[in-house]
Amino acid sequence: GAGVSQSPSNKVTEKGKDVELRCDPISGHTALYWYRQRLGQGLEFLIYFQGNSAPDKSGLPSDRFSAERTGESVSTLTIQRTQQEDSAVYLCASSFKLGVGNQPQHFGDGTRLSIL
Amino acid sequence: AQKVTQAQTEISVVEKEDVTLDCVYETRDTTYYLFWYKQPPSGELVFLIRRNSFDEQNEISGRYSWNFQKSTSSFNFTITASQVVDSAVYFCALSEAGGSEKLVFGKGMKLTVNP
Repeated sequence: GAGVSQSPSNKVTEKGKDVELRCDPISGHTALYWYRQRLGQGLEFLIYFQGNSAPDKSGLPSDRFSAERTGESVSTLTIQRTQQEDSAVYLCASSFKLGVGNQPQHFGDGTRLSIL
Repeated sequence: AQKVTQAQTEISVVEKEDVTLDCVYETRDTTYYLFWYKQPPSGELVFLIRRNSFDEQNEISGRYSWNFQKSTSSFNFTITASQVVDSAVYFCALSEAGGSEKLVFGKGMKLTVNP
């Protein structure tokens, strides 16, 4: 597609359930990022993929959070045993990684996650 | 450590007024990049500009202009003759060269332009 695509756009689930969020980056973008945006806050970095590997997972808030990327394309962010503090908008971004000159990241519309 | 501060949280102006959004950053790196993104009510972040740490020239794009000053670690954004469509949350972000190039965002500034 032309832009970064995320699904679902909205997810409501009960505390303690597992959720999976999906990101389909711009074709050809080797770098993929997940960020979290809590209500009224800026974006917090969660994890970075280069190809299918994740050399920077420093932003994952706990071991309940994990992510994978396959085929140098689609990525899935999984949150296990969800807690109310996980409620946020989860944004995915992708970019070219040229090795020189940090390229702009292009964002999807996000998944709004609400934990009841 | 990297940090971006947007001291203003919310500004309200009347159409055609000029408005400046402040951004102050902290980094120990000598090579870094600064960005501005716009988040309209629809929610999608829209990339506006990227600036590298070696280029202090001001930039103008239509009604938008950016003033980068390394001496004060600031990268301010001015909208001239604001319009209702400029209403959005604006984020300033910093990315250090190399590594993940992850973005560190400020908390954002909500701009409301009233007709």
